[in-house]
Amino acid sequence: GAGVSQSPSNKVTEKGKDVELRCDPISGHTALYWYRQSLGQGLEFLIYFQGNSAPDKSGLPSDRFSAERTGGSVSTLTIQRTQQEDSAVYLCASGQPQHFGDGTRLSIL
Amino acid sequence: KQEVTQIPAALSVPEGENLVLNCSFTDSAIYNLQWFRQDPGKGLTSLLLIQSSQREQTSGRLNASLDKSSGRSTLYIAASQPGDSATYLCAVGGSSGSARQLTFGSGTQLTVLP
Repeated sequence: GAGVSQSPSNKVTEKGKDVELRCDPISGHTALYWYRQSLGQGLEFLIYFQGNSAPDKSGLPSDRFSAERTGGSVSTLTIQRTQQEDSAVYLCASGQPQHFGDGTRLSIL
Repeated sequence: KQEVTQIPAALSVPEGENLVLNCSFTDSAIYNLQWFRQDPGKGLTSLLLIQSSQREQTSGRLNASLDKSSGRSTLYIAASQPGDSATYLCAVGGSSGSARQLTFGSGTQLTVLP
């Protein structure tokens, strides 16, 4: 497709479960970003991938959060042992300037 | 640490009015500044991008200005329409190293009344 694609669009899970969120960037974009948008916190940077360089993980809130980018394209954001405060919309962007996907709305029960 | 502030937090205007949204940032060493629009339940749509060396950008009824030295940007919307109702976000791109992550303001929620 022409834009950034994220899946699933919505995810509801129980506290303590692991979740995996996927981002398909725009073809050819070497830069890929993950952000989190939560009530009261606004949009926060999580992690940045640029080509084959080591990712900038400075925004990850805890060691329960990790992300991978395989083959320089698709990225997955994994949250282990989810907590209720992880409930948010997780947005992926690619390229420079950044083009955003519609996000994954994550709800932790 | 960069901080971005948007004023007002919410704005309601009648259709046809011209309006200005304000954005301020604390660190003037920026790479670029972007204005986004977000509709409920949707991602972000980029409206205008201003590089750090530029003063303004225009697209249709939208005009964004940048004054890096004072740490301010404005988004001017001419002849507002109900379809302009959305949340408008200002975001500043960092200039350090290879990281270009955006620091966002809290947004201005705009309602244009028919």
